Amino acid sequence: EPEVTQTPSHQVTQMGQEVILRCVPISNHLYFYWYRQILGQKVEFLVSFYNNEISEKSEIFDDQFSVERPDGSNFTLKIRSTKLEDSAMYFCASSADSPYNEQFFGPGTRLTVL
Amino acid sequence: AQSVAQPEDQVNVAEGNPLTVKCTYSVSGNPYLFWYVQYPNRGLQFLLKYITGDNLVKGSYGFEAEFNKSQTSFHLKKPSALVSDSALYFCAVRDRTAGTALIFGKGTTLSVSS
Repeated sequence: EPEVTQTPSHQVTQMGQEVILRCVPISNHLYFYWYRQILGQKVEFLVSFYNNEISEKSEIFDDQFSVERPDGSNFTLKIRSTKLEDSAMYFCASSADSPYNEQFFGPGTRLTVL
Repeated sequence: AQSVAQPEDQVNVAEGNPLTVKCTYSVSGNPYLFWYVQYPNRGLQFLLKYITGDNLVKGSYGFEAEFNKSQTSFHLKKPSALVSDSALYFCAVRDRTAGTALIFGKGTTLSVSS
């Protein structure tokens, strides 16, 4: 069964550094998403991406964040100048030919900012 | 604003007994409703969804959920719990008219004892 994959599984970085989290969505999916889950808190929506552009973003997704689909398979989340409060589990998700289909989530990348 | 409430942090049931994990929601329009399960160190796994039609929806691993519009609820149920059902369960909602982001509840830990 096809899966969403994410790399790395755990990323440790120093405050102020840039990180790139990578995701490979399910191959025939067209909608891509990033969510985050701060330890002990809710899963929160960050951004959705369709047809090579952001279709929706939350208040969390400020200028510090950017997303890109650099090729036909990868979907990346870049966090510039990381802050301590960016420490969280970041989940990538994808959905098929309609945004109203269920979203399939990857295993997550745990980001630790020191 | 959209929101999801899962009133119980933890639900404890004995193996073989029926289980219910509660979820209520608030959206301005008509909802799409989802249940996801998260096992330790894993991503969110889709269980079932309500889009339209029959209020009782059946999903993976014997789970089902009932959409109740008047009570704005979407409780997850299973007739006979298994120890392997022990996990963290998330209810999520999407407003049909308000974009593609999933709004998650805080999660309910289900513990099934043998």
